[in-house]
Amino acid sequence: EAQVTQNPRYLITVTGKKLTVTCSQNMNHEYMSWYRQDPGLGLRQIYYSMNVEVTDKGDVPEGYKVSRKEKRNFPLILESPSPNQTSLYFCASSWGDLLNEQFFGPGTRLTVL
Amino acid sequence: ELKVEQNPLFLSMQEGKNYTIYCNYSTTSDRLYWYRQDPGKSLESLFVLLSNGAVKQEGRLMASLDTKARLSTLHITAAVHDLSATYFCAVDLAGSYQLTFGKGTKLSVIP
Repeated sequence: EAQVTQNPRYLITVTGKKLTVTCSQNMNHEYMSWYRQDPGLGLRQIYYSMNVEVTDKGDVPEGYKVSRKEKRNFPLILESPSPNQTSLYFCASSWGDLLNEQFFGPGTRLTVL
Repeated sequence: ELKVEQNPLFLSMQEGKNYTIYCNYSTTSDRLYWYRQDPGKSLESLFVLLSNGAVKQEGRLMASLDTKARLSTLHITAAVHDLSATYFCAVDLAGSYQLTFGKGTKLSVIP
């Protein structure tokens, strides 16, 4: 089954404790992206990647890191999480670039205390 | 800075009625996307609009793009309860691959 998976789905952590949210897709998509969703603010793009070893900033990259060492994986790294990073995070992928439909993962709900 | 505005943000409508959701954006672009999000769920892609005058339809939903007016519309025909969801439009500046979303329109279709 074609899908985008994220792990963990739910995470409660404390300020400053490094964490990684994994994202994996099995559709051989070139484009992958991370978004955060907050009430009243909608969705905002954090980082995106056009292909392996090619990443770029979205609207809200501060406090986040990404890597794209393999085509299928695009982990989101929070080196020192803070409470303002409490949010719902979505990973997505698409064939080619944005000119094609994006497939979204199920979401990761992160709470930073 | 690209800004994307959706109107209305909340919409309650009766089954069988027609309505339109508007998506305005601030900078020239010819690439616009519509997404749907059911309560507590992830997002799914609805339409990809790639040129001025583009029109796409699926079921009771029809999306169009007017790049000169910097406006896209999502028209709902004869609404049914199953269309209740939040609808987002998003725009990327041509060639940038960076996506900016509107705040979403929460649609409730009342039987």
